[in-house]
Order: sequence, then C-alpha cells, then structure tokens
Amino acid sequence: NAGVTQTPKFRILKIGQSMTLQCTQDMNHNYMYWYRQDPGMGLKLIYYSVGAGITDKGEVPNGYNVSRSTTEDFPLRLELAAPSQTSVYFCAIKGDSQETQYFGPGTRLLVL
Amino acid sequence: GEDVEQSLFLSVREGDSSVINCTYTDSSSTYLYWYKQEPGAGLQLLTYIFSNMDMKQDQRLTVLLNKKDKHLSLRIADTQTGDSAIYFCAESKGSSASKIIFGSGTRLSIRP
Repeated sequence: NAGVTQTPKFRILKIGQSMTLQCTQDMNHNYMYWYRQDPGMGLKLIYYSVGAGITDKGEVPNGYNVSRSTTEDFPLRLELAAPSQTSVYFCAIKGDSQETQYFGPGTRLLVL
Repeated sequence: GEDVEQSLFLSVREGDSSVINCTYTDSSSTYLYWYKQEPGAGLQLLTYIFSNMDMKQDQRLTVLLNKKDKHLSLRIADTQTGDSAIYFCAESKGSSASKIIFGSGTRLSIRP
C-alpha cells in the first residue's frame, strides 16, 4: 500500500466511547486524507490536510477531529462513537505532482 | 445533488468491452481519476486524466473526457473475469486541486 500504514485493522467500540485511528506515511507526501466507506457505498471525504499544521473539512466531518503536527502522521479522532460511524476508514496520501493518490489498507470500525 | 455520479451496476460478457460512465459537477476540476476496488481490498488507482485532455489510452483502458458535458468514461477492452470489481470515478477540486471527491462506484460483473 505504497508506504501508508493504518492501525488498528479492526475495532469494536461501544456507543459513546472514543478512539483514535492512526495513519502514518513514509513517503514524505504533503497531502493526506481520511475517507469513510459505508457498506456497499462509495467513499466520503471526512477531513484532509495539505501539509503539517493545516487541516480542512471534507464532505462529512461531523463527529470527527483531526490533527497534523508532523508530515508523517494524520490521526483521526472519534470522541463519542455512534452506530452511524460504523464503516471502513481509509487514509490516503498524495504527492505534489497531483497525480497519484495512495490508499492505506483501511480500518474496519464497528460501533455497537 | 452528488458531486460525482455513476450508475451502480454494469454486467458484460467476457471478451466484450465495458464502458463505465461518470458525470461530475465542478467544471474547474483539474484531474479526474478512475480507481478499482476488489472485494475486501483498498482502492487501486487505474488511471487519471488531466482536464485539458480529451482522451488517454493505457493498454486495455481508454479514458474519454467531455469537459463541456462534464462526462467521463472508462472503457475496458476485452473484459476478463479479473476485471470484476467496483470502479470509482473521482475528481480533484479546490485550491491546488487538493480535495478529491469520489463517486459512489459502479459494480462491474462479468458473464461467461
């Protein structure tokens, strides 16, 4: 997956719990993204970052927070997990060439 | 409406050509992408086209872009069983084309 690591691979949360999904890259790319993919659906952009210290909302940011203190890491935080956040979460990176976006293997989250 | 729209399903006979269509709304999109997702896997970039191009060919794949109608298509020649997957269209938006928005995906199934 081209130097994009996501942890954990799978997690079950109870309603109201919090957790952080980790995304780390070793390609020194400026652009990083968080998407969610609901069962049988396409990808929705949650948040993205164009560089360390800069983040911006995507299509579905409610219920999530992000930070980008380093180029390598872009964690996604869920503060109060809800069943509607059951999904597969993909982190992606992109270089300045604007061409290729590489995806991580995904984190499967189940909120019960 | 959705920024990027695709039909949900396409069924073709093995050996025939597949044509997957996509419409998008942002005329300022810089790059348009096609991704492939096999069951249980992440997304794999197949090809992309810059907005000032009309066509791009890469082996069995042909991308056509009609910028006036905001219509993108992916043609797969000599479709094989290994082409069974979900195909996502995506567009880049925003400053520096940093925001990438996906369609809901087209599920391609191959008949013997």
